Amino acid sequence: DADVTQTPRNRITKTGKRIMLECSQTKGHDRMYWYRQDPGLGLRLIYYSFDVKDINKGEISDGYSVSRQAQAKFSLSLESAIPNQTALYFCATSDLGGAGNYNEQFFGPGTRLTVL
Amino acid sequence: AQSVTQLGSHVSVSEGALVLLRCNYSSSVPPYLFWYVQYPNQGLQLLLKYTTGATLVKGINGFEAEFKKSETSFHLTKPSAHMSDAAEYFCAVTGGSNYKLTFGKGTLLTVNP
Repeated sequence: DADVTQTPRNRITKTGKRIMLECSQTKGHDRMYWYRQDPGLGLRLIYYSFDVKDINKGEISDGYSVSRQAQAKFSLSLESAIPNQTALYFCATSDLGGAGNYNEQFFGPGTRLTVL
Repeated sequence: AQSVTQLGSHVSVSEGALVLLRCNYSSSVPPYLFWYVQYPNQGLQLLLKYTTGATLVKGINGFEAEFKKSETSFHLTKPSAHMSDAAEYFCAVTGGSNYKLTFGKGTLLTVNP
């Protein structure tokens, strides 16, 4: 089984709809992240969480919210989806790190979201 | 603050030719550097990383990268390209205890038969 799973893998929705993307991990990591990927822009950080009670905005958090239900689960919500939120969304995890704390991140397979 | 510049959004090579993907970084603290690979319809997979120590880093699938502090570079190379290397490659940087992984915009590698 994959260490980091995302559901759904593909989703088509309409403008104005609320949508939730879910991420689960079995790696036992404390830190979880949500990124979006757009062609030619690389990956941009939306939100990150260091533990269940610690959630922080990334560089492009407007229009998104998150919930860390448990150490292993981190959900991303679009309260009112708009077309420019059409993108590939990735969840990632990392450990607190050992010596050096170099923050190697492990990625899920992605969710392709289309907002019409 | 950190930033990453990947030179060339698309690189095309022939099978068996040298692969060179360029990455330059900016960091106010000693950097930790990563190369990730994304195959079609898949997530990102770590190819290799530099943290401390030896500046020439070997990764999976025959790839390697050299950290050059004086040039602020971390270019990715492979002596002989294979068709299966066709993918998008991302360079990323983080610094010290900073959680944040900053990605470049990616380089799409095409391998021609």
